[in-house]
Amino acid sequence: GENVEQHPSTLSVQEGDSAVIKCTYSDSASNYFPWYKQELGKGPQLIIDIRSNVGEKKDQRIAVTLNKTAKHFSLHITETQPEDSAVYFCAAALMYSGGGADGLTFGKGTHLIIQP
Amino acid sequence: ETGVTQTPRHLVMGMTNKKSLKCEQHLGHNAMYWYKQSAKKPLELMFVYSLEERVENNSVPSRFSPECPNSSHLFLHLHTLQPEDSALYLCASSQDLISGANVLTFGAGSRLTVL
Repeated sequence: GENVEQHPSTLSVQEGDSAVIKCTYSDSASNYFPWYKQELGKGPQLIIDIRSNVGEKKDQRIAVTLNKTAKHFSLHITETQPEDSAVYFCAAALMYSGGGADGLTFGKGTHLIIQP
Repeated sequence: ETGVTQTPRHLVMGMTNKKSLKCEQHLGHNAMYWYKQSAKKPLELMFVYSLEERVENNSVPSRFSPECPNSSHLFLHLHTLQPEDSALYLCASSQDLISGANVLTFGAGSRLTVL
């Protein structure tokens, strides 16, 4: 089955700096890679996702890159703000072209701390 | 409020107790999930229901018993739990399992402590 490794487990950055969280996956067939953000006392929320037919996707200050050959993908947050402090989870899944997907396999999470 | 509501938010129980966790989604989704979240571990998928039928059971001990009476409600019945079962239990829903639109919407979770 799929195995997702996520690093680092904790990341502390100064407000305004950039943050990068990296994940690797084991199953080369996986083609769907979402990122979830979990704030204190809340459930995870999808913030961005990427499919294997693209190498990069951006949404304002957040971007995700995918290297299919190396089987790794990364989350980039620029100009970090206090409200970015949370736990971030990466995940991987196989999504079939005709619809349907195997279940998501999650990484262990990264606790991002934005220092004022 | 994400549209997925979980109750209770916190639960403390002894090993001989019987309790239930409840999840309700107001999104018109057809698939619902139970996940277990423990510290420093990946989210663990426990059960998947699609149109009220269980489609996945990831080798979860029988002391956890799910129930899905309709597509909007999901329960997790708990009995004779162990201290290692203490965790945050997350309910999630998605539009369905077959459209490829597998965006999960999570509830805020039920924090369970087993004494």
